[in-house]
Amino acid sequence: GAVVSQHPSWVICKSGTSVKIECRSLDFQATTMFWYRQFPKQSLMLMATSNEGSKATYEQGVEKDKFLINHASLTLSTLTVTSAHPEDSSFYICSAFRTGSSSPLHFGNGTRLTVT
Amino acid sequence: DAKTTQPNSMESNEEEPVHLPCNHSTISGTDYIHWYRQLPSQGPEYVIHGLTSNVNNRMASLAIAEDRKSSTLILHRATLRDAAVYYCILRRSNTGNQFYFGTGTSLTVIP
Repeated sequence: GAVVSQHPSWVICKSGTSVKIECRSLDFQATTMFWYRQFPKQSLMLMATSNEGSKATYEQGVEKDKFLINHASLTLSTLTVTSAHPEDSSFYICSAFRTGSSSPLHFGNGTRLTVT
Repeated sequence: DAKTTQPNSMESNEEEPVHLPCNHSTISGTDYIHWYRQLPSQGPEYVIHGLTSNVNNRMASLAIAEDRKSSTLILHRATLRDAAVYYCILRRSNTGNQFYFGTGTSLTVIP
């Protein structure tokens, strides 16, 4: 089956630094990937839609300059949390689907970000 | 975003069937109904999806109401490994394919 790999699985960084999270589709090409954020005991919140070769589309309330998304190839999207602050600590999850109107979404295993 | 409504939590005894309901009264004709489940500290896992007809796979069955305003995920024999948060989501294939998660149902399986 389709596999989405996310790296790193956890990261601890200091306030003010930037962190990059990678999301790869391992056995299929993904023209579109999605990035989610999840706080403890809450549901997943869609942050942005990452489109290969074009700018990401951000959901309302998500700062595009803080959460930089790059989707340079059909198998890789990256999310960079810039100038991280403790309130950015969260579980970040990427997902992708094969092209096709009925294809399911495949998720990475998430990245636990802790900003100290 | 298309809204779905699920009970916050449900319990089931091990090896008994579980019926997880989902209401989606604002569903449109091109919306697919997807179900995912999530274990703690993991990404969601695909369970099943459908459009109009009932669907079966090795994990579960999906029963879709005739008017499509509700659906039920059926786990035929619950095991302890099925304890998770189950999300019912509508996928809008004609507006960017975004998947918006609701609050989900936390399923507890009692041994």
